[in-house]
Amino acid sequence: AQSVTQLGSHVSVSEGALVLLRCNYSSSVPPYLFWYVQYPNQGLQLLLKYTTGATLVKGINGFEAEFKKSETSFHLTKPSAHMSDAAEYFCAVSVVGGKLIFGQGTELSVKP
Amino acid sequence: GAVVSQHPSRVICKSGTSVKIECRSLDFQATTMFWYRQFPKKSLMLMATSNEGSKATYEQGVEKDKFLINHASLTLSTLTVTSAHPEDSSFYICSARDPGTSGNTQYFGPGTRLTVL
Repeated sequence: AQSVTQLGSHVSVSEGALVLLRCNYSSSVPPYLFWYVQYPNQGLQLLLKYTTGATLVKGINGFEAEFKKSETSFHLTKPSAHMSDAAEYFCAVSVVGGKLIFGQGTELSVKP
Repeated sequence: GAVVSQHPSRVICKSGTSVKIECRSLDFQATTMFWYRQFPKKSLMLMATSNEGSKATYEQGVEKDKFLINHASLTLSTLTVTSAHPEDSSFYICSARDPGTSGNTQYFGPGTRLTVL
């Protein structure tokens, strides 16, 4: 069965520092992988996704993620954190029927 | 990008009443929509998959007679919480799958905060 694990329920960085949010998945078939961001009391916004092709994908707000099949990972990065990046981030894998399996989420805090 | 709306954004009701939440895909046709429930500081829990023109598919442990789902058109799905009780208070989020995108990407609504008194 497919699953998603996000390492670290809470990550804190300083403004301007590198952001690295970790995501590992398990899947018996080539996965479709997604990162979503959720601000307080709002729905989820798609940051980026990997389906096929280039393994380094770029998303909105300066985020990018690299699909590494050998490591079953899809870590999210941003070179320089901004205060507005503080939010909850969810990694997800698409399974049969189009359902999404979510990780438990990582709360990102950005210190001034 | 694809836009999904939800209405209402917030609702307060008395115990025993029913509440309807609407989910609309505004700029694409969605044959499949999903309903999630989210508890504070928790991830999303899939409740059911809503397919246009057919019965919804509920996840294990979700009461289909309590959470009625109707997907009457390619742009609208509704979730009705029947005979709501305080334990049904939660944040409900819908999503719509855009078949025109790679990976059948899901786009999410802004959520509905339900409080049952």
